[in-house]
Amino acid sequence: DGGITQSPKYLFRKEGQNVTLSCEQNLNHDAMYWYRQDPGQGLRLIYYSQIVNDFQKGDIAEGYSVSREKKESFPLTVTSAQKNPTAFYLCASSIVSGWSTDTQYFGPGTRLTVL
Amino acid sequence: AQKITQTQPGMFVQEKEAVTLDCTYDTSDQSYGLFWYKQPSSGEMIFLIYQGSYDEQNATEGRYSLNFQKARKSANLVISASQLGDSAMYFCAMSSESGGYQKVTFGTGTKLQVIP
Repeated sequence: DGGITQSPKYLFRKEGQNVTLSCEQNLNHDAMYWYRQDPGQGLRLIYYSQIVNDFQKGDIAEGYSVSREKKESFPLTVTSAQKNPTAFYLCASSIVSGWSTDTQYFGPGTRLTVL
Repeated sequence: AQKITQTQPGMFVQEKEAVTLDCTYDTSDQSYGLFWYKQPSSGEMIFLIYQGSYDEQNATEGRYSLNFQKARKSANLVISASQLGDSAMYFCAMSSESGGYQKVTFGTGTKLQVIP
C-alpha cells in the first residue's frame, strides 16, 4: 500500500525545545512539502524539496529547518526560534512533471502543542 | 499574486441532496490547476478532483464534479447525493509554476454538515 506516513500523531513540546516531525513516503515522488495549518485557516507552505539534498524556503520558513537525505524522507524540525509553533502540520508529496497538473497527496498530519 | 476565496464558512445540506461549494480565484497565469480537497475531523487532506486551466470540459469524479467557469474565475465543487460521510471541511486550491516549483495556494475552507 503506497502512501505518506507522519509521526507522531500528537506531539507536546516544552518552551525552548527543538522537536522533529517525521514524514515518509513510498510513492516514489520526487517532490515533498511541509505545510502548517492554524484553526480556521488554509494551509501555508513552510519548506519544499524537489530532489534529494536540495530544499527551498516557503512562505513561513522562519523557526523551522528540514533535511532531504533520502528520496523517501523529509523530516521537519521545529526550533525554539519558532515563537508560535502550536499548529497542525501536514506533509505532502507529488511527482514533478507539468507544474500546474501535479497533484499533492497528503499524510495524516501531526498536531503539535507547546506546553 | 494568487488568491483563492471561499465565501461560505459553513454549509448545511440534507442527506441525498446535491450541494455546491463556491470557490473563486485570482491569477494572472495562463497555465494553472484547480484542486479540491476534503479534510475530515481526523485531519488528513484527501484529494477529490482536479481541473486544468486549459481543460474545456468540467472534471468529474464519481459524485464530485467541478463547475469551471474560466471567464468568471470560479471553480465550484458540486457534490451530488450527499452522504453523512461527506461532513467535513472542503478546501479549494490553485497551483501554478513559481520560481521553478509548483506553488499551491489554499482557500480558508468551507465546513459542510450533512443532515440526516
